Amino acid sequence: AQSVSQHNHHVILSEAASLELGCNYSYGGTVNLFWYVQYPGQHLQLLLKYFSGDPLVKGIKGFEAEFIKSKFSFNLRKPSVQWSDTAEYFCAVTSTSGTYKYIFGTGTRLKVLA
Amino acid sequence: KAGVTQTPRYLIKTRGQQVTLSCSPISGHRSVSWYQQTPGQGLQFLFEYFSETQRNKGNFPGRFSGRQFSNSRSEMNVSTLELGDSALYLCASRPGTSETQYFGPGTRLLVL
Repeated sequence: AQSVSQHNHHVILSEAASLELGCNYSYGGTVNLFWYVQYPGQHLQLLLKYFSGDPLVKGIKGFEAEFIKSKFSFNLRKPSVQWSDTAEYFCAVTSTSGTYKYIFGTGTRLKVLA
Repeated sequence: KAGVTQTPRYLIKTRGQQVTLSCSPISGHRSVSWYQQTPGQGLQFLFEYFSETQRNKGNFPGRFSGRQFSNSRSEMNVSTLELGDSALYLCASRPGTSETQYFGPGTRLLVL
């Protein structure tokens, strides 16, 4: 069965620290990959996405993610976090076969200390 | 464009009752998906509707059902509520030509 694993459930960092959130997926075919973010009290919103091409994708607010096909991974990174990055981050995958069924990870709660 | 809207925002029900949640997608979006969000489980896919047809379904019991109207608005119904149905129910829409989903604020359901 398809699945998405986010290994870190809670992460606490100080401002200016670097961030890497892990995401691994289990899916037999070609996939599209996403990171969504949910800031406190706000809607889930798209942070970045990978469909094809350059495996290093850049998103909003200085976030980037790298798709490593051989490792079935799509880790999220940011060189220097800010207090305003405190949020819950979700990795998600869909198949390119057209089923349009999103599989989400369980999320990672990030707390950035000022 | 206005975003995805969901009503009501909060609901309190008792076990055994049924509930109907509503979602209005972004104008022009023909696909609506529903998710259940609980702490520790993340977002679990319930179903997706496209042009009034259910296109995909997650692994939820038959007590969870939905429908979509000709104006793309969607409703989700849960019958015979159980305590474990307490969750945030999210609706997301997309144009149908894109994989990117746009989420609503959710309906928080508490079952007592």
